[in-house]
Amino acid sequence: AQSVTQPDIHITVSEGASLELRCNYSYGATPYLFWYVQSPGQGLQLLLKYFSGDTLVQGIKGFEAEFKRSQSSFNLRKPSVHWSDAAEYFCAVSYSGAGSYQLTFGKGTKLSVIP
Amino acid sequence: GAVVSQHPSRVICKSGTSVKIECRSLDFQATTMFWYRQFPKQSLMLMATSNEGSKATYEQGVEKDKFLINHASLTLSTLTVTSAHPEDSSFYICSAPPRGLSEAFFGQGTRLTVV
Repeated sequence: AQSVTQPDIHITVSEGASLELRCNYSYGATPYLFWYVQSPGQGLQLLLKYFSGDTLVQGIKGFEAEFKRSQSSFNLRKPSVHWSDAAEYFCAVSYSGAGSYQLTFGKGTKLSVIP
Repeated sequence: GAVVSQHPSRVICKSGTSVKIECRSLDFQATTMFWYRQFPKQSLMLMATSNEGSKATYEQGVEKDKFLINHASLTLSTLTVTSAHPEDSSFYICSAPPRGLSEAFFGQGTRLTVV
């Protein structure tokens, strides 16, 4: 069974500092990988996704993520964090085949930003 | 981008009553929709896959008689929480994949509180 691990439950960074949120997955084949952001009481917004091709993917709001097959990782990065980035971030994976829209989510990383 | 609308966004109901949550794809048809549940400070867990014109597929541990799913048209799936109890209080969110795209779009979610 596929699984997603986000090792950091809560991260606090200062505004303007760089950010990296970790994500590791367990799956036998090449997965579809996603990062979502959830503000308090809100739904999910897709930041970026990786299906194939270039392993460095650019997303919205200045976020990027790099797929590293050898490490089974898909870490999310941002060079300079803004206070509005404070939210919960979820890494997710799906099968690269039939039923590929069913997502398995990590437990999430809560990001706090110090002004 | 594709829009998925979920209604209501918040609902409070008395224990023992039933609550219906709607998930609509506004600008595309969706033969399949997905229902997730998120407990406080937890990740999202897939509950069931809703299939237009056929029975829903439930994940292990999800009671199909308690969480009734109906997908009567290509743009609407409903989740009914029957005989709700306080432990059913949660954030319920749906997603739907537009045909031809490799990602599913999420609704805004429904915060259910059972008192």
